[in-house]
Amino acid sequence: QVQLVQSGAEVKKPGASVKVSCKSSGYTFTGHYIHWVRQAPGQGLEYMGWIKPKSGGADYAQKFQGRVTMTRDTSATTTYLELRSLRSDDTAVYFCVREGLIAQTWGGFDYWGQGTLVTVSS
Amino acid sequence: EIVLTQSPGTLSLSPGERATLSCRASQSVRSNYLAWYQQKPGQAPRLLIYGASSRATGIPDRFSGSGSGTDFTLTISRLEPEDFAVYYCQQYNNSPYSFGQGTKLEIK
Repeated sequence: QVQLVQSGAEVKKPGASVKVSCKSSGYTFTGHYIHWVRQAPGQGLEYMGWIKPKSGGADYAQKFQGRVTMTRDTSATTTYLELRSLRSDDTAVYFCVREGLIAQTWGGFDYWGQGTLVTVSS
Repeated sequence: EIVLTQSPGTLSLSPGERATLSCRASQSVRSNYLAWYQQKPGQAPRLLIYGASSRATGIPDRFSGSGSGTDFTLTISRLEPEDFAVYYCQQYNNSPYSFGQGTKLEIK
């Protein structure tokens, strides 16, 4: 069965960096894009960007450009989200999400990781 | 960036009633690239509808999606107790692949 398992909760100080991992299993890792979405406490969903595991190519929402890097390790079937220069408003649950494919067309975000809480506090 | 506006913000209904949730886009979205998700407290979102009207695997047929262009609708034909949650629409037409702000469906 498809699973995305994320790393555990993190507490960081303002100005620090955080790196969250997302291990994929149960499907061909290089066959699906992985996206990252975050959710601040009590708020809605915010899209951050994607990575193409086959090539390592990535694209980020403009809001995060310069502060975010998405990478992958194909041998470990794991993707990573690094966010730098953390601020208090980066406190959120971060989700990795698999992009579904239905007959080679977009099939929504079909599998989600369990989420990783990142708390930024002095 | 495409902005998605969902209405109403909160919808209060009783089990057995019909729910109609709206999602309006600031510019046209190809129908293949509009999805709906359900989120319950403490859980990750769950895909309900993709391609504006196709149900995801395992989603009951009381959930249906419709619409095109800038106006999309999620309909729940007869509410079950487990359907009370927050619902989000999402577009995949243009990056960033934005979400609406959500509609909270609560028990009346």
